[in-house]
Amino acid sequence: QLQLQESGPGLVKPSETLSLTCTVSGGSISSSSYYWGWIRQPPGKGLEWIGEWIGSLYYSGSTYYNPSLKSRVTISVDTSKNQFSLKLTSVTAADTAVYYCVRHDLNGTDFWGQGTLVTVSS
Amino acid sequence: DIVMTQSPDSLAVSLGERATINCKSSQSVLYSSNNKNYLGWYQQKPGQPPKLLIYWASTRESGVPDRFSGSGSGTDFTLTISSLQAEDVAVYYCHQYYSNPQTFGQGTKLEIK
Repeated sequence: QLQLQESGPGLVKPSETLSLTCTVSGGSISSSSYYWGWIRQPPGKGLEWIGEWIGSLYYSGSTYYNPSLKSRVTISVDTSKNQFSLKLTSVTAADTAVYYCVRHDLNGTDFWGQGTLVTVSS
Repeated sequence: DIVMTQSPDSLAVSLGERATINCKSSQSVLYSSNNKNYLGWYQQKPGQPPKLLIYWASTRESGVPDRFSGSGSGTDFTLTISSLQAEDVAVYYCHQYYSNPQTFGQGTKLEIK
């Protein structure tokens, strides 16, 4: 059974960089047809798509970001560790949220990590 | 961006009764080459990640009870729970994955009357 697990600091200071890693088990992130990405949810609010990386040999290296965050976001991948990561620079309190790593394909977003709360505060 | 608007924002239904949640997209999410709507429905319970219930607007994910059904095409979609059970209390979201950035509805909170 595929499992995704987020890890990283739960507290980040304003103006600094938020860094999270998602470790995937039970399947390879290099598998074709899947996208590996991040979605966040501010406390008590709705879901916001951050971006994703396509895990295909043909499109390897292709990433897609939400334009609202594009200047601050980077998604990178380490296929040797079966992990992918999120970096969000220049964070503010508005970036406080539960961050989920997810798998997505043409059938929707079918696997989610449990989520990790990141609080931006000094 | 495609804006997803759900109605109502909250809903209270008696056990065993039907619950209906609507979702409208600001532009069509129907992909003409395969005639599929790139629209999903998710259920989120407190402290848990969302769970995929329905994809392609009307296809039930494996393991999802058949009291959950999805319908609609183009820009108007509906999630129906035919006979509400206590464990269905949750927030429900629609999600378009037709184009990036992917977007979600604001959520509908479903409670027991």
